[in-house]
Amino acid sequence: DTEVTQTPKHLVMGMTNKKSLKCEQHMGHRAMYWYKQKAKKPPELMFVYSYEKLSINESVPSRFSPECPNSSLLNLHLHALQPEDSALYLCASSQGLAGEETQYFGPGTRLLVL
Amino acid sequence: DAKTTQPNSMESNEEEPVHLPCNHSTISGTDYIHWYRQLPSQGPEYVIHGLTSNVNNRMASLAIAEDRKSSTLILHRATLRDAAVYYCPEYMKTSYDKVIFGPGTSLSVIP
Repeated sequence: DTEVTQTPKHLVMGMTNKKSLKCEQHMGHRAMYWYKQKAKKPPELMFVYSYEKLSINESVPSRFSPECPNSSLLNLHLHALQPEDSALYLCASSQGLAGEETQYFGPGTRLLVL
Repeated sequence: DAKTTQPNSMESNEEEPVHLPCNHSTISGTDYIHWYRQLPSQGPEYVIHGLTSNVNNRMASLAIAEDRKSSTLILHRATLRDAAVYYCPEYMKTSYDKVIFGPGTSLSVIP
């Protein structure tokens, strides 16, 4: 099973809402990633968790709060977002370092902030 | 850090071979070369990767130049399903978990 699942597929939220995105993989991978992708742009790295610990934070605003409760699960908690945060949020995982191993991506959550 | 450059867009006729180039001007001897593609409305998917030798798999072939400063992704017979954005991302030497996707090459396949 080489699948990364993400829920929900679509999310609409107001600027005062709190919501969470969920990502799951059962491949035993040690690293999990969050990317943000705006329309017609490449994915941009946001966070990396390695062995359930946050290893990279690409200076992401604090209104995005990642969490890795266990080795299979990655959450992204959203609070007080802005309309410009509307994007496709992608989760990925890899067994080894991303520069050496394959990254497996989920289908993404399409977020609209009103 | 390995920097990659690709053409913005390419076109191919259906059932013809496609050669997608990537320049790795600052690649080092230990940097792997990966290719991913992103079909419309989907997350990126792995295509192929290699280090020094040419590589083949069921999706594509990867030709790596002898000096490793360039690579070419070869789709042997383009199908409409191959229309996608193709990326050869770069990696930060300070952290090989940090993947940077450039704009990629948008491939159109003409029936």
